[in-house]
Amino acid sequence: DAGVTQSPTHLIKTRGQHVTLRCSPISGHKSVSWYQQVLGQGPQFIFQYYEKEERGRGNFPDRFSARQFPNYSSELNVNALLLGDSALYLCASSREWTGSRETQYFGPGTRLLVL
Amino acid sequence: SQQGEEDPQALSIQEGENATMNCSYKTSINNLQWYRQNSGRGLVHLILIRSNEREKHSGRLRVTLDTSKKSSSLLITASRAADTASYFCATGGSQGNLIFGKGTKLSVKP
Repeated sequence: DAGVTQSPTHLIKTRGQHVTLRCSPISGHKSVSWYQQVLGQGPQFIFQYYEKEERGRGNFPDRFSARQFPNYSSELNVNALLLGDSALYLCASSREWTGSRETQYFGPGTRLLVL
Repeated sequence: SQQGEEDPQALSIQEGENATMNCSYKTSINNLQWYRQNSGRGLVHLILIRSNEREKHSGRLRVTLDTSKKSSSLLITASRAADTASYFCATGGSQGNLIFGKGTKLSVKP
């Protein structure tokens, strides 16, 4: 079985632009979460979606939004990019929305650089 | 907000030695998980230990959990150069998310 896939792998944008990151979960997994990892830090939770509904949101501004599609894939959108948005964006999937009670499987991440 | 806090921040050992990393957390937990991250890539799940378990093994990994001290440790025995990575502990947040510490950066020299 394929693991969690993310696209693109790398991205360079300028301040003020918009970006869309994509994630495909493991087949059979219905929950997708997004995390931001700034260099030298641990991942920070952005969103969790289950069955196309938002089930959790971290402490991020409204410039960050996401959605989940009927095939359980997901998009993370960031508007009006700031230099501080430069980070590795990680997507994780799990079978159900059982919170942290089960293993979450992470994709390789999208490295975003904002100039 | 961070829940887990790993210690030490960085650890450098020789191949064949054991590596021990510690994690402290603040609130009660259902379980605690350890993840590995190679050079800024995705996280790989290593082991999950539940709050009613005290010790768990997986290959060369041994995890302990002390809920009275709100701490956990990850022991990697007979380390290899391929174990070089950052190691994170994670606990559960109120929204079904994982809360990670800053990680321990392990360097295993051949």
